[in-house]
Amino acid sequence: QKEVEQNSGPLSVPEGAIASLNCTYSDRGSQSFFWYRQYSGKSPELIMSIYSNGDKEDGRFTAQLNKASQYVSLLIRDSQPSDSATYLCAVTSGGGADGLTFGKGTHLIIQP
Amino acid sequence: EAGVAQSPRYKIIEKRQSVAFWCNPISGHATLYWYQQILGQGPKLLIQFQNNGVVDDSQLPKDRFSAERLKGVDSTLKIQPAKLEDSAVYLCASSLWDPQSTDTQYFGPGTRLTVL
Repeated sequence: QKEVEQNSGPLSVPEGAIASLNCTYSDRGSQSFFWYRQYSGKSPELIMSIYSNGDKEDGRFTAQLNKASQYVSLLIRDSQPSDSATYLCAVTSGGGADGLTFGKGTHLIIQP
Repeated sequence: EAGVAQSPRYKIIEKRQSVAFWCNPISGHATLYWYQQILGQGPKLLIQFQNNGVVDDSQLPKDRFSAERLKGVDSTLKIQPAKLEDSAVYLCASSLWDPQSTDTQYFGPGTRLTVL
């Protein structure tokens, strides 16, 4: 049974600071890793994908992958109140077209 | 480009009744997914279609849930009979099909089901 673990939070971060979200996964065969953002009452929206070890940056977001430690993280720089949401980590054994295994999500609150 | 469409947006039924949800994926997307998201949890994959064939239905409770995608476009998910624990948001997603690529799954707005 594939498992994805996240701290459910809430994680409270002051506006302008760096928010750090973490995720671990159980299946060593996992190949593709995703971070989705979900606002309350809305559907998940993809914000980052990462496929190889190391860092991947996109604007204020940086995803980090360490396959040896089975660990994925998401850093949000210069956090804004609009970043307040639940962040879902998802993994799959194949490419992005495979069905995703999600964690429970981390509830992030950016305090103005 | 229109997104993934789902209907109805909300549904309230009594336990043991049946219910059906409809999904229309993004035009040209060969792969369609149904996920169940229970309050406070992440989405769980129920079934994945590639065109009109099933790729993965290992987590679909087949004694009560069924899904079809007859012409490789629209899909319906049915629950019969519903149980209290089926109360959840049912999310439909779609993607282009390329196993080697960095496909993105696009989610519809979901159908919120309440079973009383």
